[in-house]
Amino acid sequence: QVQLAESGGGVVQPGGSLRLSCAASGFPFSSHALHWVRQAPGKGLEWVAIISYNENSIYHADSVKGRFTISRDNSKNTLYLQMNSLRAEDTAVYYCVRDYYGSGSYGYFDIWGQGTLVTVSS
Amino acid sequence: DIQMTQSPSSLSASVGDRVTITCRASQSISTYLNWYQQKPGKAPKLLVYTASSLQSGVPSRFSGSGSGTHFTLTISSLQPEDCATYFCQQSYSPPFTFGGGTTVEIK
Repeated sequence: QVQLAESGGGVVQPGGSLRLSCAASGFPFSSHALHWVRQAPGKGLEWVAIISYNENSIYHADSVKGRFTISRDNSKNTLYLQMNSLRAEDTAVYYCVRDYYGSGSYGYFDIWGQGTLVTVSS
Repeated sequence: DIQMTQSPSSLSASVGDRVTITCRASQSISTYLNWYQQKPGKAPKLLVYTASSLQSGVPSRFSGSGSGTHFTLTISSLQPEDCATYFCQQSYSPPFTFGGGTTVEIK
């Protein structure tokens, strides 16, 4: 069964750090690009970052650039999002998402995890 | 960055009605446009990719069309289980922006 399972969410103070993980199963992990997408409470979807299958292409949204870092470990079938200098506006459900293609260009998001909630609050 | 504008932001229609949602891109994105459905408390689900290709398992009452900057998602005969929020998203270039969403309710 194709599956993505996020973990690592929780409550963190402003300025703090958190590392999200996403464990994949049921498909050739190293063949697909992967994304993080977030959704603030009651709001729409915001794309956060992409990493290609071979890590040659990595992009972050301007809203998180310099604070968040996407990475992957193909030997562990796991995607990561290191989040530093967290702000209240980073409060959201974070989804791990599979891209149908490997490069991430011109692709589409065909598999979504269940999401993990990150709350930034003092 | 490419901006995606969806309309309407919400709509109410009767069971059996034909429903159309529009998505406009701020520049041409060819057919690199995808549609997702999200129900409350759930992750989004892919409905249509590259503007008009129906994802496996999605009912045939859903269809997508368009190219360049203007796209539509149509539900040919609205069903109660179609109550959800629908998002368009461009995959032409990063950042892979989403539209603001359209919430569909049953009248």
